[in-house]
Amino acid sequence: AQTVTQSQPEMSVQEAETVTLSCTYDTSESDYYLFWYKQPPSRQMILVIRQEAYKQQNATENRFSVNFQKAAKSFSLKISDSQLGDAAMYFCAYRSNFQGAQKLVFGQGTRLTINP
Amino acid sequence: DAEITQSPRHKITETGRQVTLACHQTWNHNNMFWYRQDLGHGLRLIHYSYGVQDTNKGEVSDGYSVSRSNTEDLPLTLESAASSQTSVYFCASSESMYSPLHFGNGTRLTVT
Repeated sequence: AQTVTQSQPEMSVQEAETVTLSCTYDTSESDYYLFWYKQPPSRQMILVIRQEAYKQQNATENRFSVNFQKAAKSFSLKISDSQLGDAAMYFCAYRSNFQGAQKLVFGQGTRLTINP
Repeated sequence: DAEITQSPRHKITETGRQVTLACHQTWNHNNMFWYRQDLGHGLRLIHYSYGVQDTNKGEVSDGYSVSRSNTEDLPLTLESAASSQTSVYFCASSESMYSPLHFGNGTRLTVT
């Protein structure tokens, strides 16, 4: 079974600085998706960014980018120019690309604090 | 706009009672999922469904059941609530294996 590990329970960063959240995963599959979700205090789960394993290019979405290292099974999230609204829990998640295996497997989460 | 709604948003119940949490989506998605969120565990899969009359157990399914009689709804039932089931419960849906999950806003359940 696949597992996802986020080794940083909490992180903090100064506003306007850059922060990187770590995620590692374990799988024997070669084709899959990886995701980062943001959960603000409202409890809403918001998709931040998605990476397809067969794509070598790292995904980017505005200030958010990932460093996808397939061989190392690592998928870190970089937030540039941190803003107060980025404060939230961040979850890394894995999804198999096999038909009938569409469920997400989540990491434990990292709570990100932005210091003004 | 299409959406996924969960009700109630908060629920307090007593040990041993049967509780049902509702999940309704208007996306017309075939795939629906129930997760529970606990500190230190992230979100863990309880049950999931890939279509009407299809249900499957997730990694933490003991004490929970679901039924899928139509595309829009996947109610989650706690047969006999236990204090260990105090948690925040999320329902989610997706169109296909290539599309992201859409989440509801969660139900906070407290079992006293």
